[in-house]
Amino acid sequence: DGGITQSPKYLFRKEGQNVTLSCEQNLNHDAMYWYRQDPGQGLRLIYYSQIVNDFQKGDIAEGYSVSREKKESFPLTVTSAQKNPTAFYLCASSIDGAARRGYTFGSGTRLTVV
Amino acid sequence: KQEVTQIPAALSVPEGENLVLNCSFTDSAIYNLQWFRQDPGKGLTSLLLIQSSQREQTSGRLNASLDKSSGRSTLYIAASQPGDSATYLCAVRPGSNTGKLIFGQGTTLQVKP
Repeated sequence: DGGITQSPKYLFRKEGQNVTLSCEQNLNHDAMYWYRQDPGQGLRLIYYSQIVNDFQKGDIAEGYSVSREKKESFPLTVTSAQKNPTAFYLCASSIDGAARRGYTFGSGTRLTVV
Repeated sequence: KQEVTQIPAALSVPEGENLVLNCSFTDSAIYNLQWFRQDPGKGLTSLLLIQSSQREQTSGRLNASLDKSSGRSTLYIAASQPGDSATYLCAVRPGSNTGKLIFGQGTTLQVKP
């Protein structure tokens, strides 16, 4: 079955450490997205990519970085510049930037600062 | 700026009831609207997608309607079951090519046996 795989499910980060969250899709979708979910704040867009080797900042990109070297992969790095990284991170994809068939989400990674 | 609001924030009903979840959005220039379900600690599962030219979509006991001119969508759940307990999220895809969804805060539903 096609879908989106996020790993790891749980991740713990020490102060000052960079960590990378993995997102892989086998849906042959062109566009991929990273959202952050905090209690009481809903989902907010971090970065998105509509095509390989191209990506744009979302609403809360500071302290994060991404790459899109392959169509099926869109890893998110949470850098030490992100002062409040504890959150639930969700990766999504759509067939294209217009999302004519809607969005598909992964199962999420919960990041905790220790 | 597009804003999405979901009312109520929480809802508790006895098993078997029919119920309606509401979603409103401030800018009618949307490309499509999608309803999702989220179980605690899990990702989002797509329930229904309504294109801007459509009025409703149905899947099993779920029916979603869209009134773009009034900025409203409803999710109707028939004959609710305890397994329907979850948070339901409404999200709109703006008409501009911003590449992002705008989410509501969600309605947390509890169906009591």
